[in-house]
Amino acid sequence: ILNVEQSPQSLHVQEGDSTNFTCSFPSSNFYALHWYRWETAKSPEALFVMTLNGDEKKKGRISATLNTKEGYSYLYIKGSQPEDSATYLCASPNTGNQFYFGTGTSLTVIP
Amino acid sequence: GAGVSQSPSNKVTEKGKDVELRCDPISGHTALYWYRQSLGQGLEFLIYFQGNSAPDKSGLPSDRFSAERTGGSVSTLTIQRTQQEDSAVYLCASSLGQGKSSYEQYFGPGTRLTVT
Repeated sequence: ILNVEQSPQSLHVQEGDSTNFTCSFPSSNFYALHWYRWETAKSPEALFVMTLNGDEKKKGRISATLNTKEGYSYLYIKGSQPEDSATYLCASPNTGNQFYFGTGTSLTVIP
Repeated sequence: GAGVSQSPSNKVTEKGKDVELRCDPISGHTALYWYRQSLGQGLEFLIYFQGNSAPDKSGLPSDRFSAERTGGSVSTLTIQRTQQEDSAVYLCASSLGQGKSSYEQYFGPGTRLTVT
């Protein structure tokens, strides 16, 4: 079993603020780190898949970094908008492609 | 194109009954995953299919749970003799897979199972 943890559990920010949250995972036997966004009443949607130490990925106002040596990834949202309100999940697989998800960070952007 | 679909979207069943949940993955995706999210919990891995290989069933919580995937496409998750603790949202996801965990997963809308 992989212990994937996310913090904070929830976050409220004002529209226009930038924010970030953390995913930590075991640094040994690392294969990949996935970020997903899960909006209410919708399906989880992939944001990023990262595999290499030092990876940085960006999609619009959202970006992510990966440190496999110390076992963490940061997700950044620049200039938060109400439509960014969602739960953000990270996941990492073990050798057998079993994916272990964190419990998520629930983001609420206040207009 | 069409995404991952699941049916039913909601299922209410009495304790002790059997239920079947269906997942139609994206055409061409060889990897298929089942997860569940119980109230207040994170997504929990249940089972993984890759092509025609034997599935990884290590996440199934008890022998009341089983799953199959016919023709490398549609999958059915069966829960026998349902218990109240089986109440959860069951999510299916598919990916290009090929045994690599670097492919993103595409999730279905889920089936909300309530056992009364």
